[in-house]
Amino acid sequence: NAGVTQTPKFQVLKTGQSMTLQCAQDMNHEYMSWYRQDPGMGLRLIHYSVGAGITDQGEVPNGYNVSRSTTEDFPLRLLSAAPSQTSVYFCASQAAGPGTDTQYFGPGTRLTVL
Amino acid sequence: RKEVEQDPGPFNVPEGATVAFNCTYSNSASQSFFWYRQDCRKEPKLLMSVYSSGNEDGRFTAQLNRASQYISLLIRDSKLSDSATYLCVVTNNAGNMLTFGGGTRLMVKP
Repeated sequence: NAGVTQTPKFQVLKTGQSMTLQCAQDMNHEYMSWYRQDPGMGLRLIHYSVGAGITDQGEVPNGYNVSRSTTEDFPLRLLSAAPSQTSVYFCASQAAGPGTDTQYFGPGTRLTVL
Repeated sequence: RKEVEQDPGPFNVPEGATVAFNCTYSNSASQSFFWYRQDCRKEPKLLMSVYSSGNEDGRFTAQLNRASQYISLLIRDSKLSDSATYLCVVTNNAGNMLTFGGGTRLMVKP
């Protein structure tokens, strides 16, 4: 069982470039989310989705877009990369809402913006 | 003030020691509480949920004090494999978003 997969594992961008971080889960989970993790700051929620076709903003949504066209996939788009977006990005999924079930994380994407 | 605060550590303890981590949260309407474990350069994984009545899973005991807005994790008989960062996590009052603390790093030495 693959669980939550993320690609790429590592990425280096130049300021102003755009890219999409991919996230997929094969557990038929309704709830998916994207976090970024910076040193000493824990994980911060960027965007989340409670089901296909539904997305909402988290704590730090600026500079990122998401869409949820299928239950399985939840890509994160960086519109115009900035050095402040250098971070580790984690995608997560769970069957129901975050207060009711285990949240499963992907292995992360390490992004550097020069 | 951060919504979820933890002592970043590191806590350096010998094998077999008992160690306790604390966490405070600012939103009194938070619904659910968890401890996650994160190994170096890996993703977080759920360690245990935290209930008002307290709960135990083997060597791990979690406690919640809603009045003081305080969560604790106790690890007994520490093992080398317990070395990791422990993340305190709470949901918001709607229960639809998680807020993570910055984590407490534990290093268990032989």
